[in-house]
Amino acid sequence: DGGITQSPKYLFRKEGQNVTLSCEQNLNHDAMYWYRQDPGQGLRLIYYSQIVNDFQKGDIAEGYSVSREKKESFPLTVTSAQKNPTAFYLCASSVEDEAGGLNGYTFGSGTRLTVV
Amino acid sequence: SQKIEQNSEALNIQEGKTATLTCNYTNYSPAYLQWYRQDPGRGPVFLLLIRENEKEKRKERLKVTFDTTLKQSLFHITASQPADSATYLCALVNNFNKFYFGSGTKLNVKP
Repeated sequence: DGGITQSPKYLFRKEGQNVTLSCEQNLNHDAMYWYRQDPGQGLRLIYYSQIVNDFQKGDIAEGYSVSREKKESFPLTVTSAQKNPTAFYLCASSVEDEAGGLNGYTFGSGTRLTVV
Repeated sequence: SQKIEQNSEALNIQEGKTATLTCNYTNYSPAYLQWYRQDPGRGPVFLLLIRENEKEKRKERLKVTFDTTLKQSLFHITASQPADSATYLCALVNNFNKFYFGSGTKLNVKP
C-alpha cells in the first residue's frame, strides 16, 4: 500500500541534544511537508520541499533543519536551538491536480517528541 | 494574516442524528477549503475538498458547504455513528497553495 511512514512513533530528547525524525513516502509525490501540532492550535508549517534538493522555510522554521536528497525521504532534525520542541510532528506529501491546485495532503501517523 | 476558527468545544450528539461542524475564516477568500478527520495519536486523513466557486459537495454521508459571503464552511455528517467520533480539521488553501489549518472540533457520537 502506498503511504507515508514516520518513525519513531515516540521520541525522547534530552536538553541540548539534536534528534532526527524520519519521513518516507512511496506515493511518488513531489511535495513534502513538516508540520507541528500543539494542543488547541492549528497545524503550523515548519519546512516544505517541492522538489529534490530544494526546500523552503515555513512559518516556524527556527531551531529545525531538513534535507531532501531523495524524492522519497524528507527527514527533520530538531536542534538544541529549538527551545520548546515537545509536540506532535506530522509529515505530509501532496501532488498537484490538473488545474495546478493541491489535492488533499496525505499525512503520516506522526512522531510525538518529548523533552526529558 | 489568515485566521481560521473552529469551535474548540466538543460537539456531543446522539447516534443517528446529523452532526454539523463550523469553520469560519477572516480576511481573503481561499481558493478552496478542505476537511480532515484526525483520530487520537494519528495523522489527519483527507475527507473532502470544495472550491470557491462550489456551494456544496457530497461524499456518502458527508456534505460540505462553502459560503464566501459569510466566510464560512459547514461540514455535515448525516446518520452519525459512534465510529464517526474524532476531531475534524478544516484547512483553507490560498491561490499560492499555502494551507491554513484550524485547531479542530472534537465530535463525540453517543450510542
